[in-house]
Order: sequence, then C-alpha cells, then structure tokens
Amino acid sequence: GAGVSQTPSNKVTEKGKYVELRCDPISGHTALYWYRQSLGQGPEFLIYFQGTGAADDSGLPNDRFFAVRPEGSVSTLKIQRTERGDSAVYLCASSLYRLAGGNEQFFGPGTRLTVL
Amino acid sequence: RKEVEQDPGPFNVPEGATVAFNCTYSNSASQSFFWYRQDCRKEPKLLMSVYSSGNEDGRFTAQLNRASQYISLLIRDSKLSDSATYLCVVTASNTGKLIFGQGTTLQVKP
Repeated sequence: GAGVSQTPSNKVTEKGKYVELRCDPISGHTALYWYRQSLGQGPEFLIYFQGTGAADDSGLPNDRFFAVRPEGSVSTLKIQRTERGDSAVYLCASSLYRLAGGNEQFFGPGTRLTVL
Repeated sequence: RKEVEQDPGPFNVPEGATVAFNCTYSNSASQSFFWYRQDCRKEPKLLMSVYSSGNEDGRFTAQLNRASQYISLLIRDSKLSDSATYLCVVTASNTGKLIFGQGTTLQVKP
C-alpha cells in the first residue's frame, strides 16, 4: 500500500514569505506527527495530532509555525514570515495509535525547505 | 544537555567488522526505545525496538540498561549496505513523540 507522502519535495522561498507543507498519512492512521531535521542533527518533534486535534504542540518553535488536520487525514504545516533558520527537512510520520511504543511511526520522504 | 546523546562518528570500518554504537538518555521516565536507520537524504526507518532483556535480529543486537539509562546497538559482520546513520530514539510515557539522538554515521568500506 501507499506510504506517507509529502509535497512538495523541495521548496525554495525568500525570507519573509509564507509557506505550506502538506502531509498525506497512511490511510487509517489516526496519529500524525511533524518533525524538523537540520543538517547533521536528528529529527526534532514539532507537533502531534490524534485525529483532528493537536494533542501536543510543544515542539513548535514559535507562533510563526502552525499546523492543521481538519478532517483527521491530510495535515498542513504552515510557516509565516519565514526566516533563514527555518531551512531544514520537514518530516511527517503517521502511526495507527498514539501509545508510546505501541505502534511504529512511518515517515514520509520529507520536504526540504530552503529560505534564501 | 541533549535528551538523547550519541557519538556522531563517523565510524569507518572494513567489511566483516563488528561495530558497536552507544547512546545515553536523560529522562528516566522514558518508556520505549528504538534504533532507526537513515540513509543519506532519505527518511528514517525503524531498525529495531530495544528491550531490557536484549533483542537480536540477524546480525543486529540491541540492549537497554535502564539503571544506567544506556542503549546499545551491535552490528556483526558489517556489510557495505549497512552504511547509514543510526539514530537512537526514545519516547516518554503518554505521548507518541519520538526523541532522537544526533545519529551515528557508519561507513563500511570494502
């Protein structure tokens, strides 16, 4: 079956612009996670959705970052007034349930965001 | 201090070598433990879960020491295809979020 998909695969934007990154989870997966990976680092947690609601957004770095999942499937990560420091690979993952360790998280290929 | 710490390497080993990676975590409430593998410019993929009793999957053996908050991964008989970054990962209770280490890079050479 289809895995997690993310679009676009690459996004180049200018400082100060607004961007939207999309994630399509595996069908039937209720839990969806966003992570950000900078060069040479491991992924860092941003936000977790259980169904339509953001159950944990403690990883969002500031109020320029926002994410939605209105129908409990596709999610969009939105970044306002982008800064050069936002440049990273944004990874989305989904799993069947949220229970810690209860279910494997499957990652999408990521969106490589470059802010000039 | 980072919540999960790993030696970033790189580890350069010949084919057939045995290599060990170590990882420490700071949150004693951590509940689940994993090793993920990440190939260059690809997404992380689950390699194996880690249990206190230790677990083995072919050439790979993972071990957890809760008292020392220490996780290890042993790779025997290294193959060229083992070249990748290995990420040590923990989760806290009541959340599903993964906390990743920096990753350890392995390069297996002919």
